[in-house]
Amino acid sequence: DAKTTQPTSMDCAEGRAANLPCNHSTISGNEYVYWYRQIHSQGPQYIIHGLKNNETNEMASLIITEDRKSSTLILPHATLRDTAVYYCIVRVAGEWYGGSQGNLIFGKGTKLSVKP
Amino acid sequence: DSGVTQTPKHLITATGQRVTLRCSPRSGDLSVYWYQQSLDQGLQFLIQYYNGEERAKGNILERFSAQQFPDLHSELNLSSLELGDSALYFCASTRQGNTEAFFGQGTRLTVV
Repeated sequence: DAKTTQPTSMDCAEGRAANLPCNHSTISGNEYVYWYRQIHSQGPQYIIHGLKNNETNEMASLIITEDRKSSTLILPHATLRDTAVYYCIVRVAGEWYGGSQGNLIFGKGTKLSVKP
Repeated sequence: DSGVTQTPKHLITATGQRVTLRCSPRSGDLSVYWYQQSLDQGLQFLIQYYNGEERAKGNILERFSAQQFPDLHSELNLSSLELGDSALYFCASTRQGNTEAFFGQGTRLTVV
């Protein structure tokens, strides 16, 4: 599995766009980029995923660079309820076992704090 | 609501005891995955079942075991519990043809 690098923490003002970056320079051609978030020890929540095209859904937009070595998750109008740890994961489609660094599926992620 | 149900939500037990955690996947999902998340740690893959059969194994201790039943619900059995087994245990399910995994709300296990 490709390793991902994310900033440890970020702040965002309520109502503004939150842009969360992720580097995945060793991504393979058949690996997707997934984003999940975890709000205070709740179950990880699926946000969005993509292979090479930009994607948008009701929660967020995913921008993947042309070389696929990095991506950005965009929450267009962040609210206080978006405060969470955001995980960028690179995986072959549908394979949620194994993982880099000895079966580590999710790493540390980015702790996003949305402030009033 | 992800559609994945885990029970119980909280469990407190003593060292040396045995517990069973239960997971009901989303309707129609054949794969169930179990994960462990210790305090401030990442999510570690434990084991996967697909339609009743073990499919993949990760960092699962010999004291732990799992199974998936004909109705597709799964149970994770943890025995001879140690203080270090205190953690959040999540299950997730996936559907053939889809790529994303959907997670339950987890069981918080505290071993005292």
